[in-house]
Amino acid sequence: GQNIDQPTEMTATEGAIVQINCTYQTSGFNGLFWYQQHAGEAPTFLSYNVLDGLEEKGRFSSFLSRSKGYSYLLLKELQMKDSASYLCAFRTTNAGKSTFGDGTTLTVKP
Amino acid sequence: GAGVSQSPRYKVAKRGQDVALRCDPISGHVSLFWYQQALGQGPEFLTYFQNEAQLDKSGLPSDRFFAERPEGSVSTLKIQRTQQEDSAVYLCASSLVGAGVEQYFGPGTRLTVT
Repeated sequence: GQNIDQPTEMTATEGAIVQINCTYQTSGFNGLFWYQQHAGEAPTFLSYNVLDGLEEKGRFSSFLSRSKGYSYLLLKELQMKDSASYLCAFRTTNAGKSTFGDGTTLTVKP
Repeated sequence: GAGVSQSPRYKVAKRGQDVALRCDPISGHVSLFWYQQALGQGPEFLTYFQNEAQLDKSGLPSDRFFAERPEGSVSTLKIQRTQQEDSAVYLCASSLVGAGVEQYFGPGTRLTVT
């Protein structure tokens, strides 16, 4: 079957670094996505990994290990506006549905 | 530029009523997805279209749920004889086709069944 897990909640301080982990099990794999979702809003795309390693994009980086079924999202220089839910999702084909985790609610405190 | 739009944004239905939710994808996006998101959970896949063809409807929870995209653009998700457990946010997303392409989500329709 397919399964995807991430922590429910995390808290961090403004200016700090936080790492949000995601583990998944799937028989087919065609990429791992991270989305940001502010309360009451639609998810917005942050990153995509299909090969092992680290992808850096500004303050956000995402890492993937396919053999371990593991990814993380790294947020640097945290800002108050980064308080949101962060959704991990994988795709099994290059088209078609994504399977989402339940999201990690990140609270950034001053 | 125009993103994905959905209407209505909010819908209150009495149990047993039929509802129709509309999605206007980004122009030129071949793929269209419907997801259901309950409070505090991630989006759950319902169905997927490539142009007008419904390629995957494995996530539709019952035969009360029906989706169409007759001209390969606008899509409608219809729920017949709504039940309280249908209360959720229904998200539509569109994308180009290909590896790694992101999905662009609409603002969602919040359905409350009373």
